[in-house]
Parts: sequence; C-alpha cells; structure tokens
Amino acid sequence: DQQVKQNSPSLSVQEGRISILNCDYTNSMFDYFLWYKKYPAEGPTFLISISSIKDKNEDGRFTVFLNKSAKHLSLHIVPSQPGDSAVYFCAARNTDKLIFGTGTRLQVFP
Amino acid sequence: NAGVTQTPKFRILKIGQSMTLQCTQDMNHNYMYWYRQDPGMGLKLIYYSVGAGITDKGEVPNGYNVSRSTTEDFPLRLELAAPSQTSVYFCASSSRPNSPLHFGNGTRLTVT
Repeated sequence: DQQVKQNSPSLSVQEGRISILNCDYTNSMFDYFLWYKKYPAEGPTFLISISSIKDKNEDGRFTVFLNKSAKHLSLHIVPSQPGDSAVYFCAARNTDKLIFGTGTRLQVFP
Repeated sequence: NAGVTQTPKFRILKIGQSMTLQCTQDMNHNYMYWYRQDPGMGLKLIYYSVGAGITDKGEVPNGYNVSRSTTEDFPLRLELAAPSQTSVYFCASSSRPNSPLHFGNGTRLTVT
C-alpha cells in the first residue's frame, strides 16, 4: 500500500532546460509535503516544502506545485544544472510520520 | 555541529546474530526516526519517537526494537538478523512535526 508514489524511476534532462519531477499521493490527511535530494553514500537532504494550504512555493531555481484535488505535487527545477543530478524523493506528513515516495533519479547532461 | 551521526557505516551479520545501530543527534531535537531504504522502494519508516521515553511503530517495525532514554540517542536493535533486513538504514531528527528532517549518512547492513 504505497501512499506516496513517484511513477517515474528516472529522468534525463539537458543542462539549462526545465526538470519536472512528479509525485502522487492517496491519503487526503497529508497536510505537509517535502522534497528531498539524495547523493550516493549520503543521507537525504531537505530541498523545499509546501503546506497543504498553499498551491505553490518557490525557492530560487526550485518550485513546488501542489494540486490537492488531484492529490498531485510536482517539483520544477529551472534551469537544470549538472550538480542537480541525484535521486529526488517526495514525502508527505500525517501527524508525526513522514511517508516517502520511491524516488526519481534525475540525470542532467551537458 | 555534527548533526545526526550514525555508527557503524557498514556491517555484515550472519543470520540469527544481533546488533544495535547507533544514532545520536546534537541539535536537541525531540523527534527522531529510523528509516530503511531498499532498492527501488524508497524509504520506509521503521520506528519513530516524539521525545525521550516515547516510541511508536512505523510502516515496517517487525524484527526491530528501539529505545529512547535520552533526547540525543535513538538506537535501533536487530535481535535475530534475517536476509530480509539487508538494507541501508537512515536515522533522522527534527525539532517539530512540520520541520524538515535532518538525516545521518546511513548504515549499510548485509545479512548473509
């Protein structure tokens, strides 16, 4: 029973273009959503978050969009850079628990 | 600041052996979590704690135990290791439920 789903295991984008990573969830009780970035042999690091009362949050090159009616969120990276190559996890919070998706591996090529 | 520190970084266990994965944080966070990451499966919550003396089960608690006697430490115990527990284990902490988690660098465990 996967409550948070990232249906694209990988994504390849050219440097300078937009990267769009998608995430779907099933539990309408989730009230806070986050994106994490993970490099090999390191723990995930926080990237950006959004509360369920908002539909957009922006931080530099990173923007997260939330569509509650569709139970869908997305992360936009503009412009994409080679250093953005990593695995990206979306996560959703229900009370004290944070539930993660399966991750999308982003590769940004020159 | 060290943040969240996990030890050991790597470990190989034989089936049936036991071990404790250590996790300590120096940020005075009340909330602490243990996750495991299997290939293609994302991170699954094993146990979590909202403060010293309080622990609760996550999504996949079977085969594990935890304790939280201090704010800083949240050890994860495997009593009878099984091959299904081969995974990378991450400990994390946060100051509030809606605060981002700070993760350690993980412990890679192999059970053979």
